Amino acid sequence: EAEVAQSPRYKITEKSQAVAFWCDPISGHATLYWYRQILGQGPELLVQFQDESVVDDSQLPKDRFSAERLKGVDSTLKIQPAELGDSAMYLCASSLASTGELFFGEGSRLTVL
Amino acid sequence: QKEVEQNSGPLSVPEGAIASLNCTYSDRGSQSFFWYRQYSGKSPELIMFIYSNGDKEDGRFTAQLNKASQYVSLLIRDSQPSDSATYLCAVPAPLSYQLTFGKGTKLSVIP
Repeated sequence: EAEVAQSPRYKITEKSQAVAFWCDPISGHATLYWYRQILGQGPELLVQFQDESVVDDSQLPKDRFSAERLKGVDSTLKIQPAELGDSAMYLCASSLASTGELFFGEGSRLTVL
Repeated sequence: QKEVEQNSGPLSVPEGAIASLNCTYSDRGSQSFFWYRQYSGKSPELIMFIYSNGDKEDGRFTAQLNKASQYVSLLIRDSQPSDSATYLCAVPAPLSYQLTFGKGTKLSVIP
C-alpha cells in the first residue's frame, strides 16, 4: 500500500540549532502539504505545493522556516534557528487532486530544548 | 478567517453506545466537510466526508450536515474501545481545498 514517507520520526535539538524534515509523497500525488500540530490542537497548514510550485506559504514563519520541493516529488522543511515554541509534530500530507482527501505521513516529532 | 469549532472533550461513552461528535464552522460558503480520526501519537486518517445536507452513512459511522445551521456531526454507533481517538473536523477552502482543521474531540470508549 502506497504511503507518505517522512523522516526523521523523532528529532531532539537545542534552540538555535538547524533542523530539517524530509517527505516523500505517494507516487503521482501532485499536491503536497506541510502541517504543524501542537499537542492538543488540530493541524495547521504551513505550506502547500502544487508540483514544484508554492501555492500558499502565508502561514510559514519565513524568518526561520523554509520549504522546497525542487523536482516536484519529495520535499524538505527546514527550521533555522529552532526555538522552544517550535516543539510540535510536523506532518506531511499529499493528495492526488484537490479533493480534501489527504494522506498523511507518520509525522516528525520535534522537541526543542 | 475560516473557523472550525469542536468541543475538545474528552467525551466518554460506554462500549456499545452511540457517540456524537459535533462541529460548527464560520464560512457559510463551505461546501464540503471532512472527518479525520487520529489515534494518540499517530497521524490523521480520513474516515468520512459529506457534501450534501442530510445524513451519509458508512458502516457504523454517520455524518450529518445542516448547512443552514452551519453544523456538521459524526455519529458512531455501537462504539468500540478501538474507536477511542481524537476526531478532527476539517473544512476545505473553496478553490485551493486547503483544509482548516478544528482542535479535535477526544473520544474515550469505556469497555
